[in-house]
Order: sequence, then C-alpha cells, then structure tokens
Amino acid sequence: EVQLVESGGGLVQPGGSLRLSCAASGFTFSSYSMNWVRQAPGKGLEWVSYISSSSSTIYYADSVKGRFTISRDNAKNSLYLQMNSLRAEDTAVYYCARDPPAIKPAALFDYWGQGTLVTVSS
Amino acid sequence: DIQMTQSPSTLSASVGDRVTITCRASQSISSWLAWYQQKPGKAPKLLIYKASSLESGVPSRFSGSGSGTEFTLTISSLQPDDFATYYCQQYNSYSPLPFGQGTKVEIK
Repeated sequence: EVQLVESGGGLVQPGGSLRLSCAASGFTFSSYSMNWVRQAPGKGLEWVSYISSSSSTIYYADSVKGRFTISRDNAKNSLYLQMNSLRAEDTAVYYCARDPPAIKPAALFDYWGQGTLVTVSS
Repeated sequence: DIQMTQSPSTLSASVGDRVTITCRASQSISSWLAWYQQKPGKAPKLLIYKASSLESGVPSRFSGSGSGTEFTLTISSLQPDDFATYYCQQYNSYSPLPFGQGTKVEIK
C-alpha cells in the first residue's frame, strides 16, 4: 500500500525557517517524481515544487522561488522541503504528492500524504 | 500561465441526482486534465486523469469528458459518499495555480 507521511509542520514566526519531511513507503520511491502542494485554510490547492526521481530537474512556483528548497534522499525514501524567510501567506497545509511516471508535460498527483500544517504568525 | 475556472462554485443536489461540473482552461491543454475529490480534513484523491480515464478503484458513476479548453466531470447518480469538493487540474504545463478554485457539492 502506498503511504506518504508528512512531518515537520508547526508554528513559526515571520522570517523563520522550517523543514518538512515526507516519508514514503509501499512503492519504489526512487522511480517517482515528487511534489509539494499546499492549501491555505479554507482555500484551494496551490502547487509549490517538483523534483524528478533523480533530483536532476526541479521546479518552483514563483511565490516560493528563492525561499524554499526541495530535495530528496532516495536511500531513505524521503522527500524534503526547506522553507526559509517564511511569510504569513505561507500558512497552509503542505501535502507531498506522488507523480506517476507516464509521459506527460507536467505533474499529475496520484497519491497524497495526509498533510502537515504550517502556521506563520507572531 | 494557464488559468483554470470551474463552475459552479457550489452545487446543491440530492442523492440519485446526475451532477455535472465544468472546468475551463484559459488556453488549450489538449487532454491533460485531471479531477480530484477532497473531503473536509482529508487529502485530495485522484478520480480522473487525461480528461476521461478513470483512476483505478474509482466508481464507474464518475466520468470525465472534454478536450482543448472545456471539460466536464459527471457523477451519474450522486451517492452520500460523493458530497465533497471537486477540483480540476491542468498538467499541460507547470504553473503555480494548475487547479481550479473548486466546486463544493452539498446536500440539497
């Protein structure tokens, strides 16, 4: 069974940093591209970042570019999101989401974690 | 960036009703469109990909159609478990807002 379990969320002050983790199991993690998607309270879904299976290709949404860094450790079946210079508008539930390996122009999300809440407030 | 617009924002329906949700893209996305279902406090669940392909395990009462800029998600006979928010998503290109704003299906 595919499982994605996020951790690392919490309350942080504006300008602070946080590192999210996503532990993957039930599939060959090293064969899949992965993503972070967030959802502000009561709002819709916003794609944040993409990393290919080998980490050779990385994309960011403009809203987080230069502040967030996505990475992965295939030996540990883990995905990460380092978030720096956090702002109030980064407050959201952050989901890690798997991207199935079909040929397609951009990311699709076939499995999601349960999410971890990041709250940026003083 | 491609913009995705769903309608309606809210839909009131009864068990057994046929329900249709529309998603429009600001430019052609071919058939690179997915539909997700999200229940309160839960992660989204993939229902449909490539506009009309049913994800494994999803009930056959869900169907998708369309190509280019206009797409629909249809629930042929609404069940109690289907009351949720539905999002379309384009995967023709990377953009910060590949998702529509969502359609909440509520009990009439």
